[in-house]
Amino acid sequence: AQSVTQPDIHITVSEGASLELRCNYSYGATPYLFWYVQSPGQGLQLLLKYFSGDTLVQGIKGFEAEFKRSQSSFNLRKPSVHWSDAAEYFCAVAPFSGGYNKLIFGAGTRLAVHP
Amino acid sequence: GAGVSQSPSNKVTEKGKDVELRCDPISGHTALYWYRQRLGQGLEFLIYFQGNSAPDKSGLPSDRFSAERTGESVSTLTIQRTQQEDSAVYLCASSLVFSEAFFGQGTRLTVV
Repeated sequence: AQSVTQPDIHITVSEGASLELRCNYSYGATPYLFWYVQSPGQGLQLLLKYFSGDTLVQGIKGFEAEFKRSQSSFNLRKPSVHWSDAAEYFCAVAPFSGGYNKLIFGAGTRLAVHP
Repeated sequence: GAGVSQSPSNKVTEKGKDVELRCDPISGHTALYWYRQRLGQGLEFLIYFQGNSAPDKSGLPSDRFSAERTGESVSTLTIQRTQQEDSAVYLCASSLVFSEAFFGQGTRLTVV
């Protein structure tokens, strides 16, 4: 069965510092991969997605993620964090096989940003 | 509408009562998902509808939970004989095939 692991439950960084949030998946083939962000009291917003092609994908708000097939990873990065980036980040996968695209989420990583 | 709409936004119910939560997906989206998010927790998959295929109900936690979808439109999640552990935010999302999911704002359910 497919699964998603986000090893870091909480991460704290200083404003202006770089950020990397880890995501590993378990699936027989390469699934479609997503990062969503949930700000306090808000719904989930898509940051970026990987379907195929270039393994480095750019998203909104200055985020990027790199797909590494050999490591079954899809880590999210940002070179310089802003205080407004404090939120919960969720990695998700979907097999998209034969039109079946059940979306499974990791447990999330809560990001705190120190001024 | 422009986005996924869920109603009600908040629901307080007494333990043992039945509740119905509604989701209006984005027009034309063939896939619809329900998730549960307990306070401070991640998204727990409940059920997935895809077109006319049989729904994937593998995430429903008990037989008190059920969901229906009329064609490719509205979906209703029903919780019978609610318990305090059912208190959570229930999120609905919809998508096209081979595309990302768009989420509603959720229904916050409180069982007292």
